[in-house]
Amino acid sequence: KAGVTQTPRYLIKTRGQQVTLSCSPISGHRSVSWYQQTPGQGLQFLFEYFSETQRNKGNFPGRFSGRQFSNSRSEMNVSTLELGDSALYLCASSSLTGGADTQYFGPGTRLTVL
Amino acid sequence: DAKTTQPPSMDCAEGRAANLPCNHSTISGNEYVYWYRQIHSQGPQYIIHGLKNNETNEMASLIITEDRKSSTLILPHATLRDTAVYYCIVSRYSGGSNYKLTFGKGTLLTVNP
Repeated sequence: KAGVTQTPRYLIKTRGQQVTLSCSPISGHRSVSWYQQTPGQGLQFLFEYFSETQRNKGNFPGRFSGRQFSNSRSEMNVSTLELGDSALYLCASSSLTGGADTQYFGPGTRLTVL
Repeated sequence: DAKTTQPPSMDCAEGRAANLPCNHSTISGNEYVYWYRQIHSQGPQYIIHGLKNNETNEMASLIITEDRKSSTLILPHATLRDTAVYYCIVSRYSGGSNYKLTFGKGTLLTVNP
């Protein structure tokens, strides 16, 4: 099976702009989670989607949003970009077969805000 | 989720076993122990997980103490490509999934030639 894919891999934006990142989960996986990784804060959970619904959300401002499509693909959007939003954004998918639902991560999108 | 404690860094000689410890003394009965690793600027890679019993797969072995308060990840024959940050994570199964992984700072394992 193909792994989790994320596009684009690299992105440069300026303050005030908005950005949309895309994630395609492993085939058959219905849950998609997003994480932000920065040198200062490490890896932090953003939100999780399942069946096109956001089920869980981390402690991030409303500028961070997302959605999931019927084919389980997901996008996240960051509006009014700030310098501190520069980070590696990671998407992970899991199959939700019950018990320990392992999350598998994509390669990430490196966002730089100038 | 229970907090984990890992040494910030470890060294290992190539070809030798790497034993990475993790303390999770506040783990509760329905929490799993997961191990991931992250090679510089790549996405975290799943290694192994367990609940109570020791586990082994093609990458590593996971040894969980009987009281479940600590665990050890064993890479049996470390190679230079195993140099990475290794994260030990305790995650509860709830709401239909282990949807959220809480990453600490992990252990930087450096495999030396």
